[in-house]
Amino acid sequence: QKEVEQNSGPLSVPEGAIASLNCTYSDRGSQSFFWYRQYSGKSPELIMFIYSNGDKEDGRFTAQLNKASQYVSLLIRDSQPSDSATYLCAVMDSSYKLIFGSGTRLLVRP
Amino acid sequence: DAMVIQNPRYQVTQFGKPVTLSCSQTLNHNVMYWYQQKSSQAPKLLFHYYDKDFNNEADTPDNFQSRRPNTSFCFLDIRSPGLGDAAMYLCATGTGKSYEQYFGPGTRLTVT
Repeated sequence: QKEVEQNSGPLSVPEGAIASLNCTYSDRGSQSFFWYRQYSGKSPELIMFIYSNGDKEDGRFTAQLNKASQYVSLLIRDSQPSDSATYLCAVMDSSYKLIFGSGTRLLVRP
Repeated sequence: DAMVIQNPRYQVTQFGKPVTLSCSQTLNHNVMYWYQQKSSQAPKLLFHYYDKDFNNEADTPDNFQSRRPNTSFCFLDIRSPGLGDAAMYLCATGTGKSYEQYFGPGTRLTVT
């Protein structure tokens, strides 16, 4: 059973802080990794994707991938109240299907 | 703007009354996916089309069917909705292989 694990949270951080969201996956053959943001009652919105080991930065967001440890993370710098949402980690398996984690709820306190 | 569109955004149906949800895309992606998402749960893949090739997930109930008449449109048919089918239904598109998927706004289905 291919699994993607996330802490459900909520993760509470003050405005301006760095939020760190973590995800582990079980399928060692996975090649593509995605972070989606989902506001309550809305559909998932793709915010980051990463294919190679290391860091990938896009604005305030940094995705980090460590395939040896089967670990992917998302850092949000200078967190804003508008970042409060559920963040879904998704891993593409060898059949090109996305396996989602159940999400981490992030709360950014003003 | 290129996008994924779902209609209707909200659908109320009666127990056992067939319902059809629609998805269209202007991205010209060859893969279209249908997901079911219940509250506080991960999206669950129901099936996907790679071009015209239909791929059903093993645990998708027979009550759920899909049609893709052309590249741009895909439909989800629920033949006899039960109370447990109340959920958000998400359509997504992608280019297949290892690339990202883009979601439409979803259809919230209520079964009374």
